[in-house]
Amino acid sequence: GAGVSQSPSNKVTEKGKDVELRCDPISGHTALYWYRQSLGQGLEFLIYFQGNSAPDKSGLPSDRFSAERTGGSVSTLTIQRTQQEDSAVYLCASSLRGNRGQETQYFGPGTRLLVL
Amino acid sequence: KNQVEQSPQSLIILEGKNCTLQCNYTVSPFSNLRWYKQDTGRGPVSLTIMTFSENTKSNGRYTATLDADTKQSSLHITASQLSDSASYICVVSVLYNTDKLIFGTGTRLQVFP
Repeated sequence: GAGVSQSPSNKVTEKGKDVELRCDPISGHTALYWYRQSLGQGLEFLIYFQGNSAPDKSGLPSDRFSAERTGGSVSTLTIQRTQQEDSAVYLCASSLRGNRGQETQYFGPGTRLLVL
Repeated sequence: KNQVEQSPQSLIILEGKNCTLQCNYTVSPFSNLRWYKQDTGRGPVSLTIMTFSENTKSNGRYTATLDADTKQSSLHITASQLSDSASYICVVSVLYNTDKLIFGTGTRLQVFP
C-alpha cells in the first residue's frame, strides 16, 4: 500500500550538469505525470505517460528535458545541462486509469532541485 | 485564456477559528474542480472534487462550494487546527481538451496556537 515515492528528496547540482530524478508510482496505476513547482508558482505540467501510449510531452519546457517510463512502472525525468532557472520542486503523480480530468492523482513528496 | 486565481495569497488565523479560501476560474468548458492540500515538503493531497452539477462537498472539517455560473469556488475550514497549516491549491479541469488541468498558485494558510 505504498504511495508514490520519489528520489532523491533533494538534489544540489552545478549549472551545466545533468540530473536524473526518479519516480515510483503506486503499484497498478497506469498513468504517471511529472510536474514542476517553482517558488510562488502553480504546478506546471511537464509530461504524461498512459500505459503503452505515446507520452504527452507538450509541457516540457525545452529539449533539455526528457523522461522515460520503463516497463510501465518506474519513470525517470532527465534534465541535461541544467540551468539555474531549472531550480524547483519536481513532483510526480500517478492515477489508476489515466483519465486525468476525472481521476484523482496521487502525488509523491517531490524532488527539490537546486542548481547553483 | 484558461486561468485559475486564488485568494488570498496567504492567510494567518488562530487555532479554532474558521476561514474561507477563494478560487475564481475562467476555464471553459468546465469539467470539474478540485481542492488539494499541500503540506510543506510534501506532494498535494486531494481534499474534494466537484463536477458541474455539484454545489457543495464536504470532507470532515473542509467544505467546498462551487458556483458554476459565476465560476467561483470556496474552501471553508471549520474549527481550524495547527495541522491545517499548508498550501491549498485549486485545480480546474478543462473538458474535452485532453483533460488538461489548470492549477492555481495556492493559498498559504498558517494556523497559530
